[in-house]
Amino acid sequence: EAGVTQFPSHSVIEKGQTVTLRCDPISGHDNLYWYRRVMGKEIKFLLHFVKESKQDESGMPNNRFLAERTGGTYSTLKVQPAELEDSGVYFCASSQALAGGDEQFFGPGTRLTVL
Amino acid sequence: DAKTTQPNSMESNEEEPVHLPCNHSTISGTDYIHWYRQLPSQGPEYVIHGLTSNVNNRMASLAIAEDRKSSTLILHRATLRDAAVYYCILYAGGTSYGKLTFGQGTILTVHP
Repeated sequence: EAGVTQFPSHSVIEKGQTVTLRCDPISGHDNLYWYRRVMGKEIKFLLHFVKESKQDESGMPNNRFLAERTGGTYSTLKVQPAELEDSGVYFCASSQALAGGDEQFFGPGTRLTVL
Repeated sequence: DAKTTQPNSMESNEEEPVHLPCNHSTISGTDYIHWYRQLPSQGPEYVIHGLTSNVNNRMASLAIAEDRKSSTLILHRATLRDAAVYYCILYAGGTSYGKLTFGQGTILTVHP
């Protein structure tokens, strides 16, 4: 069974440009999460989808970030316009159930560098 | 979000047991204790979880204090591949299921 995949693995863009990150969860997983780690900081939650609906987007830093999950399958996270402080590693995770024993499966991450 | 406290770093020798402690004195009755680890250049990886009773799986064991205010992740025989950052996370119960709140974790170094 394929794990969570993320594309691209690396992205280098200039300040002010737009970048779109993609996450393909494990097939059949209704729950999809985005997290990020910026330089020197802890991994932070961004948002949680249940199928195509946003369950919790309390971690989204500002309105330059837009996440979508059309059809409840893959998800995209767009940053527009990108700022220097957006540099970091963006992780996607998915899970099947939503319970106390819920195990989240993480992708390898997308390393974003904003110059 | 309930917080956990872990040592910044620990060291072990290969093939020896490792006990990684975690304090969570503000844990609520519905919080599960989850452990994840992050190997270099990879995403976090689930290790184990528990609620009240000690738990064992193929990767590790989780020992939970009777008052649930602390727990210990036990790697029975550390290997070089176990070198990683280990995160102890309280997974909130009820309608809060979903987001994981990562702290700084414990950096485990395993010596050959």
